[in-house]
Amino acid sequence: QKEVEQDPGPLSVPEGAIVSLNCTYSNSAFQYFMWYRQYSRKGPELLMYTYSSGNKEDGRFTAQVDKSSKYISLFIRDSQPSDSATYLCAMIIQGAQKLVFGQGTRLTINP
Amino acid sequence: DTEVTQTPKHLVMGMTNKKSLKCEQHMGHRAMYWYKQKAKKPPELMFVYSYEKLSINESVPSRFSPECPNSSLLNLHLHALQPEDSALYLCASSPTSGNTIYFGEGSWLTVV
Repeated sequence: QKEVEQDPGPLSVPEGAIVSLNCTYSNSAFQYFMWYRQYSRKGPELLMYTYSSGNKEDGRFTAQVDKSSKYISLFIRDSQPSDSATYLCAMIIQGAQKLVFGQGTRLTINP
Repeated sequence: DTEVTQTPKHLVMGMTNKKSLKCEQHMGHRAMYWYKQKAKKPPELMFVYSYEKLSINESVPSRFSPECPNSSLLNLHLHALQPEDSALYLCASSPTSGNTIYFGEGSWLTVV
């Protein structure tokens, strides 16, 4: 079983929809939780990060961490075609040096 | 825009060539990383430098040789690569280890 599980999709939704992306994990020691957006042939861009539990909002994006369920989510409101990309969840133990990634979810927003 | 700058963006090299990938960050970060990414896969860690010292080598073949000349620069020297080494090579940095990690745009390497 992988330390971090993420549905690879692909996920296709109409423009304007709310998108929910999720990851589960098994190691309760993870403390930093990150979401990266990666466009084709580009490096991953840090979209959101959360330390420990709770919610964080930035514009149309909301990241949630539920440590009791070992479950993290990224919500995208009013989705745009420019949001079409692969979304990678990643997490790390504070002081550790190895980021653990999910497999990435390929998202397409249809105009 | 990313504050981790990688050059070159694209590199084609023969199996007998020697080339280098370069990375620079000016965020004052003290941890720097090299990752390799194949199509439709997440990035895989290769090397970690913490305070300019190599702290992790993920059993990477010796044809890849990292170097950290100072706290802002990271190089990856390439020699006698194989076609299967063709991939996107990503440099990244973080304030310290175990913190949020920022990636560069990557260098696309093709070995012919």
